[in-house]
Amino acid sequence: DIQMTQSPSSLSASVGDRVILTCRASQSVGSYLNWYQQKPGKAPMLLIHSASSLQGGVPSRFSGSGSRTNFTLTIDSLQPEDFASYYCQQTYNTPQTFGGGTRVEI
Amino acid sequence: QVQLVQSGAEVKKPGASVKVSCKASGYTFTSYYIHWVRQAPGQGLEWIGIINPSGGSTSAPQKFHGRLTMTRDTSTNTVYMELSDLKSDDTAVYYCARDTYDRDISAGLILWGQGTLVTVSS
Repeated sequence: DIQMTQSPSSLSASVGDRVILTCRASQSVGSYLNWYQQKPGKAPMLLIHSASSLQGGVPSRFSGSGSRTNFTLTIDSLQPEDFASYYCQQTYNTPQTFGGGTRVEI
Repeated sequence: QVQLVQSGAEVKKPGASVKVSCKASGYTFTSYYIHWVRQAPGQGLEWIGIINPSGGSTSAPQKFHGRLTMTRDTSTNTVYMELSDLKSDDTAVYYCARDTYDRDISAGLILWGQGTLVTVSS
């Protein structure tokens, strides 16, 4: 199985900050990498698919980059509603696997 | 309205089985794979399987082989996830989720059910 490792596991930031979250795969996943946001008590929400394609309706301050084993999710100008947990997911093969998540706190 | 609606919370004893339903509406049921993802309390997301509602084929991680059964009923647009021989660490919220694009399992999960809490406790 492909292992996904996210770093940091948590971070503290302020409104207006630029935040960069990292996801590493144990082997190449090409560009088959998705990012989700999850708020407490809610289902995850897809932000970015295929490493860098912004899902419709997602604010443009979110962006994704990377390929093969190294990926980043960048949030430009953090907003109050962005404080949440973020997960990466590889869909290169099954079993699909998620990273352990990064919690973005105030 | 495009949505997935799951069955309600369950409390089960160790060794028992649980069956969670996920009813799809608002789109062509047989065109999109359905995934199951679970989240233990305070923990991250774990992908536990996928079913093709068209032909019924399934795939799940090796750790669940023999314990996890996924089925579908095309007459009611419903998929089911049954987990047997429950253990305390199966306690989690179980989500069903649909792929973003039809017949493409690579572009992430765009539509999610509301989640079903399964509690395993003696």
